[in-house]
Amino acid sequence: DGGITQSPKYLFRKEGQNVTLSCEQNLNHDAMYWYRQDPGQGLRLIYYSQIVNDFQKGDIAEGYSVSREKKESFPLTVTSAQKNPTAFYLCASSLSRWVRSSGNTIYFGEGSWLTVV
Amino acid sequence: DAKTTQPNSMESNEEEPVHLPCNHSTISGTDYIHWYRQLPSQGPEYVIHGLTSNVNNRMASLAIAEDRKSSTLILHRATLRDAAVYYCILRDDYGGATNKLIFGTGTLLAVQP
Repeated sequence: DGGITQSPKYLFRKEGQNVTLSCEQNLNHDAMYWYRQDPGQGLRLIYYSQIVNDFQKGDIAEGYSVSREKKESFPLTVTSAQKNPTAFYLCASSLSRWVRSSGNTIYFGEGSWLTVV
Repeated sequence: DAKTTQPNSMESNEEEPVHLPCNHSTISGTDYIHWYRQLPSQGPEYVIHGLTSNVNNRMASLAIAEDRKSSTLILHRATLRDAAVYYCILRDDYGGATNKLIFGTGTLLAVQP
């Protein structure tokens, strides 16, 4: 089935460690996104990528890094510079920035829970 | 990006219709109104979207005010599986825009059996 796969579902990080969250999609979408969600809050955009080898900072990019070497993959690294990384992380994708938004539904993965121990 | 305002929470009884309101007084002419919902510990899923006319699909209906400053998501017969957080979002229709979604805190819908 087509969709977005995030892994791992649950991840524990020690203070000072970098961790990488995986996001893979087989929808042939050009655009991919990473959001962060804190308990009881809405989603906040971390990074987004409209095409391979290109990505842009979202609203809360500090302490995070991404890469987009392949169309289907958009991994997110939570670095030690991110002081409060415990949250629910969501990866998403959509067809293309050049498609009118009326037909440009965004699809989300199941999310990854990151906890600092 | 234009903002939306939604009630923090609403309650409904099973099998009854639910009307979820959204205010977007600063909406621009090219903004589409999108609704997504998020079940506990899952990613949001698309529900419906529209520009000016009312819209229907298998999940819900979207009623848009004539001045487009507000809209209402209608679930015709609520089920327990409809209990979720519902987000009302505006998206610019220009192809050159980032197409990023700006989420508020949404409306938490509780459905009572």
